[in-house]
Amino acid sequence: QQQVKQSPQSLIVQKGGIPIINCAYENTAFDYFPWYQQFPGKGPALLIAIRPDVSEKKEGRFTISFNKSAKQFSLHIMDSQPGDSATYFCAARRPAGNKLTFGGGTRVLVKP
Amino acid sequence: GAVVSQHPSRVICKSGTSVKIECRSLDFQATTMFWYRQFPKKSLMLMATSNEGSKATYEQGVEKDKFLINHASLTLSTLTVTSAHPEDSSFYICSARDHGGLPDTQYFGPGTRLTVL
Repeated sequence: QQQVKQSPQSLIVQKGGIPIINCAYENTAFDYFPWYQQFPGKGPALLIAIRPDVSEKKEGRFTISFNKSAKQFSLHIMDSQPGDSATYFCAARRPAGNKLTFGGGTRVLVKP
Repeated sequence: GAVVSQHPSRVICKSGTSVKIECRSLDFQATTMFWYRQFPKKSLMLMATSNEGSKATYEQGVEKDKFLINHASLTLSTLTVTSAHPEDSSFYICSARDHGGLPDTQYFGPGTRLTVL
């Protein structure tokens, strides 16, 4: 019940394309859903985050869509660039202890 | 944005020795820090929650005597891998919760690559 399932494991798009990464969860107690970007050998960096009472949030080229009834959320990267090539992790927060549970990650490659 | 540093960035040690990794919040106070472990091409697994001035709480399956955590100040937490063995080789990442900022945000350090020979 603590798991967050992320798909796909990897994704290749052409420059300008829109990679879409999906996550699903079971625990309805999760109350905060951040997305992180990680480059090889570096720590994760917070990209964007959403609460379950909001259905969509945009920050720059990154958009989160949230479907509370389906317990699913997704990340869209608009006008993707080669510099966006990285591993992306969704996460969900357990209120007790502010702990994050991470999805398995998606390796995105944006070809020039 | 808030900055979290880790030291060292890489460490190689012999089997049986102990290694200390530092995690510092540089421009904010963090009453709570978290330690994660990440295997190559895998996700982050929470190991423990580090609380300033009190004992750390460990996730199920994590040996507290193996991974000693100390959070002696509002800006510093340390993870000591005791009697390290090759299976402890991994990427260790800390995060810090900004006590005075957005309550939901965890800022991550750059990670420490531990290799045990």
